This record gives sequence, C-alpha cells and structure tokens, in this order.
Amino acid sequence: SQQGEEDPQALSIQEGENATMNCSYKTSINNLQWYRQNSGRGLVHLILIRSNEREKHSGRLRVTLDTSKKSSSLLITASRAADTASYFCATVSGGSQGNLIFGKGTKLSVKP
Amino acid sequence: DAGITQSPRHKVTETGTPVTLRCHQTENHRYMYWYRQDPGHGLRLIHYSYGVKDTDKGEVSDGYSVSRSKTEDFLLTLESATSSQTSVYFCAIGGSSGREFADTQYFGPGTRLTVL
Repeated sequence: SQQGEEDPQALSIQEGENATMNCSYKTSINNLQWYRQNSGRGLVHLILIRSNEREKHSGRLRVTLDTSKKSSSLLITASRAADTASYFCATVSGGSQGNLIFGKGTKLSVKP
Repeated sequence: DAGITQSPRHKVTETGTPVTLRCHQTENHRYMYWYRQDPGHGLRLIHYSYGVKDTDKGEVSDGYSVSRSKTEDFLLTLESATSSQTSVYFCAIGGSSGREFADTQYFGPGTRLTVL
C-alpha cells in the first residue's frame, strides 16, 4: 500500500532554478523523510522532519510539513546538474517499528 | 554506502530455481531491511529484521524468506523464482544499538535480478 505520493512525477528545470517537489500521504505519521536516488544507485537519505516540526533546512534543501493537509514539500534551491536524480518521500507511522513506506518518486532533471 | 554490501550485484536465473541474495553490513546496526524496486511502484518492503533471528514480514513478502543468524548478515531467499520477481533488490540498515526503531535508513547498491 502506497503511503506517500509525490507530485510531479517528473520535473525538468535549468541549472540555477529552484525545484519544488510535493508529497501527500494518507495516515498519521511519526516522521517524514526524503531520499535521493541517482540512476543505478541505492537511495541516500537527505532529510527527516518529525510530525511536530513544520520546516527544516539542510544546505540547499528546505522541507516543510503540514500535518493538517497530510503533505510535505521539498525545495532545492539554486539547482545544479548534479541534483539530477529521483527523489522519494517516505513516511514512518506510529507503531510501525519505524518501517518506511515510500512514494513512487519524482524524477528531477536539471539541464546545464 | 554506509558500510553495506550486497551480493551478487547482478544475477540471471531461470524460473523455478532457488536464489539467495546476501546483505552484509559493517555498521552494527540493529535493523536490516529488504526492498524491491519496480517501475511504477517505488520501493516496497519485503521483510525486515530487528535483531539476530528476529524477522517480520513486509508489504510484499509472499514467495520470499529471510534469515539473520549474525548482526552483520541478512539473507533474502526466493524459494522458487518466478518472472514476477524480476526486480532490483535493495538492502537497507538502520537504528544503532539501543534505539527503539530506525529513523534513518542507509541503502546498499542494489542487486538486479532477472528471472527468465
């Protein structure tokens, strides 16, 4: 069962522009995480935001969480060609032993 | 890749044969996970382990079994491989010793399995 759903499915931008990806989920969560996957590689953890937090920053990444709307957004500022990858949101629900439920991902392409 | 290796990295096998994939970690993390990744489905949890000899089923566990006899190794076995099990398999680890559950997961490089 899919918990998170990313939007858009694919995004193409120019280097230097900002990229925004959205994630919606269905049930209450303990935390929400974003991961990046470069082509042919494993996933890499980017950032975690807990259910009692509204916004979090890490370098060029900004994540927001709106638990009333069951949604999150990931903003990458001043994108670079190296940011080209697929981005996944994943949620952890209470009582789930911390198991992640992933969305289907947003494929970001940053053109130089 | 946070001290996680998967073997083999690529495998082609025939329908009906047993297949075992190995995940090895050097991080002493309590939790280990097996996922499969398919186009249009994202990552789906197959099985996970929360300690030596402690395992549980995930969302898509049918046709798969796991074993964890040591902290560092988590094996995924396809008892009788089918074409629907053609996929990319990822192992992940999380949760340093003592934590209630894993917050962040660290992923291996993946195993591409093709069942003919």
